[in-house]
Amino acid sequence: GESVGLHLPTLSVQEGDNSIINCAYSNSASDYFIWYKQESGKGPQFIIDIRSNMDKRQGQRVTVLLNKTVKHLSLQIAATQPGDSAVYFCSNDYKLSFGAGTTVTVRA
Amino acid sequence: DVKVTQSSRYLVKRTGEKVFLECVQDMDHENMFWYRQDPGLGLRLIYFSYDVKMKEKGDIPEGYSVSREKKERFSLILESASTNQTSMYLCASSLPLAGRDTQYFGPGTRLTVL
Repeated sequence: GESVGLHLPTLSVQEGDNSIINCAYSNSASDYFIWYKQESGKGPQFIIDIRSNMDKRQGQRVTVLLNKTVKHLSLQIAATQPGDSAVYFCSNDYKLSFGAGTTVTVRA
Repeated sequence: DVKVTQSSRYLVKRTGEKVFLECVQDMDHENMFWYRQDPGLGLRLIYFSYDVKMKEKGDIPEGYSVSREKKERFSLILESASTNQTSMYLCASSLPLAGRDTQYFGPGTRLTVL
């Protein structure tokens, strides 16, 4: 069946380093991908999205890369800060469930 | 900004009780969703609705029902609460525009069933 999933459940990053969170999907017809961030005690919030006609999209300190050949997308966070500690979810326009997410912990 | 509100942040109920979780969005979104979030399992879709009085089952609808009588309000109903329904419940809404279906989430309701 169709699935969207993250590679690693946890990621520990030194403050100031770059973070990379990975996600794989199975439906090659997926046209739109979204990354969400969920901080403790809050609901998930939109971070950045990308359409399938793009390979890369940049936001403020975040970049999403899409590799349609291997059905993989990643979220890169530059100069990770303590406020980036959260659970990160990827989703697409075919999958309304989000999987377990990747918990990012930033070390001081 | 889109605002999605949920009726309670914390709720404690007893086994067998009927439980109503209310969700309201203020941006005229067509789509509304109910998820539950459990440690290690992430977000799982219970039900969603694309329009008033319409509903679709998600991945785990058993033990739940929903009601959407008005566009801005989507209610999740536990007909007879059980301990395995103790969870964090998240409501979301979206306005699909040319395929860009970004969801906006409420703060969640942490339900404990004793």
